[in-house]
Amino acid sequence: AQSVTQPDIHITVSEGASLELRCNYSYGATPYLFWYVQSPGQGLQLLLKYFSGDTLVQGIKGFEAEFKRSQSSFNLRKPSVHWSDAAEYFCAVVLGGGNTGKLIFGQGTTLQVKP
Amino acid sequence: ETGVTQTPRHLVMGMTNKKSLKCEQHLGHNAMYWYKQSAKKPLELMFVYNFKEQTENNSVPSRFSPECPNSSHLFLHLHTLQPEDSALYLCASSQGTSGGFQETQYFGPGTRLLVL
Repeated sequence: AQSVTQPDIHITVSEGASLELRCNYSYGATPYLFWYVQSPGQGLQLLLKYFSGDTLVQGIKGFEAEFKRSQSSFNLRKPSVHWSDAAEYFCAVVLGGGNTGKLIFGQGTTLQVKP
Repeated sequence: ETGVTQTPRHLVMGMTNKKSLKCEQHLGHNAMYWYKQSAKKPLELMFVYNFKEQTENNSVPSRFSPECPNSSHLFLHLHTLQPEDSALYLCASSQGTSGGFQETQYFGPGTRLLVL
């Protein structure tokens, strides 16, 4: 079945430490890939997206993500986490092609930042 | 105002009540979406409207009734809801020109609904 998995439900990192949030998908072809962030009491905000081309994608707020076809992964990274990065992060994919595909979200990873 | 706004931000209703959620976008977009966000579950797409026409109904129960009078406004009419319908309801919009989910979606802050 087509699916999106975020293996880590909750992650805690110290401020200034590096961060990697995992996302894996199950699909035969390359989907459109997104990472969204949701701060408490807010809607979702797009961090970055990948459709094709360079597999390392730069986003807002110092985030980047790397698409690895061989691993069916699209992990989100940040070299140095700030306290304001504490939020919930969602990986999302469009499976099946742009105009007729399905948008599926992962369950989310809650990031806690220790001072 | 800019972006996507949703009212009310919080709503408590009984199972026999009728209420409506409102979403308004000020981005000049043509596509609008309703999502349901329940605790410990992935975000669920409910409805999609493109140029005021419904293009997706993701098997949503009829007690949820969407309305899109124009490209800037989207409503979700609620009646005889169940306690399991308690959730955060998010509205989003996108350009709508390509007609697909690859477009960047801009989300409102959501309406937190509690059904008693």
